Amino acid sequence: GDSVTQMEGPVTLSEEAFLTINCTYTATGYPSLFWYVQYPGEGLQLLLKATKADDKGSNKGFEATYRKETTSFHLEKGSVQVSDSAVYFCALLYSSASKIIFGSGTRLSIRP
Amino acid sequence: DTAVSQTPKYLVTQMGNDKSIKCEQNLGHDTMYWYKQDSKKFLKIMFSYNNKELIINETVPNRFSPKSPDKAHLNLHINSLELGDSAVYFCASSRLSEDYGYTFGSGTRLTVV
Repeated sequence: GDSVTQMEGPVTLSEEAFLTINCTYTATGYPSLFWYVQYPGEGLQLLLKATKADDKGSNKGFEATYRKETTSFHLEKGSVQVSDSAVYFCALLYSSASKIIFGSGTRLSIRP
Repeated sequence: DTAVSQTPKYLVTQMGNDKSIKCEQNLGHDTMYWYKQDSKKFLKIMFSYNNKELIINETVPNRFSPKSPDKAHLNLHINSLELGDSAVYFCASSRLSEDYGYTFGSGTRLTVV
């Protein structure tokens, strides 16, 4: 079945470090791909998305590129801040399936 | 203005009780969802309604019953609560074209003691 695999956390970085959170997916067609972020005590917020191969989603300094050949959608940021500390979820969606499938989440902690 | 609002935010109850969680969205979305997030942060869909009609019902015990009185509301009723039901429950909504992603509520933390 369709699934999403994320790198296990927690990931701990110093402020201004470069961030990569790996995400790969298994799917039979061409789903839309998303990154959601969950700050402590809050619900999930859409961070960025890409709906077709080679699309790059970006928001708040974060980027991810839809790579069909490697079935990946890795999240990157050039210089992280303490305020980026949160849990990040990679997800996929088929319009026909009517549900988003989430990865297991990666907790990110940024040290001042 | 809160887009997707859930009540209550926290719910502590004893085993065997029956409880409800309410969800409302003011975005004009057609589809609403319930997700369960366990202690390890894993998110799993439970139910999905489109225009008051049930379209997804994952493997969830019969003790869980969703109700959608109109397309802006999706409530979750849980009978005979068990310790294993303790989790954070998230409501979400989306447009018919779901490529826009979902809008989530802030969650209801249910603790069964």
